[in-house]
Amino acid sequence: GESVGLHLPTLSVQEGDNSIINCAYSNSASDYFIWYKQESGKGPQFIIDIRSNMDKRQGQRVTVLLNKTVKHLSLQIAATQPGDSAVYFCAENVYSGNTPLVFGKGTRLSVIA
Amino acid sequence: DSGVTQTPKHLITATGQRVTLRCSPRSGDLSVYWYQQSLDQGLQFLIQYYNGEERAKGNILERFSAQQFPDLHSELNLSSLELGDSALYFCASSGKGGGRETQYFGPGTRLLVL
Repeated sequence: GESVGLHLPTLSVQEGDNSIINCAYSNSASDYFIWYKQESGKGPQFIIDIRSNMDKRQGQRVTVLLNKTVKHLSLQIAATQPGDSAVYFCAENVYSGNTPLVFGKGTRLSVIA
Repeated sequence: DSGVTQTPKHLITATGQRVTLRCSPRSGDLSVYWYQQSLDQGLQFLIQYYNGEERAKGNILERFSAQQFPDLHSELNLSSLELGDSALYFCASSGKGGGRETQYFGPGTRLLVL
């Protein structure tokens, strides 16, 4: 079945450096992808999304890259800050009107001050 | 603040009991989703409602049920509770479509079954 996974379960980054969180998906029919950030004790928070007709989308300090050829998604965080410490989930969706998001297991980002 | 509200924030109960979790979606959102997040687990999709009707079902146990009311708020009912049901339960909502739009999550209900 479809699955969304992450290459690295934990990532430690020095404050001020850039972070890259990776995600692989297996369903080539997926056409919508979202990154969520979940801080301890809180619900997942939407960060950025991308549709399959794009290969890059930028937000504030974040960039999502989509490589449909190898079914790979990444989240880049520029100038990582202590407040970026959280678990990051990627999620995919196949547009059918009835299919919910499929979430990966998450990557924990730890920012070292 | 996502605009999605959930009550209660914490819930402690005993095995065999029944509890009801409540969710109010963002204003105007028609879809409500329920997820379970256990320790060291990702988000497990349970069930989706759209404008009062069940739209999609995930790994939801038969002991669990949900409904969405005319005012679009939703309730998740968990019965015959077991220790393994202890988890965070999240509600999310999205816009007019059935499954494509971005989902916005509430703060969750932390359930502890003793």
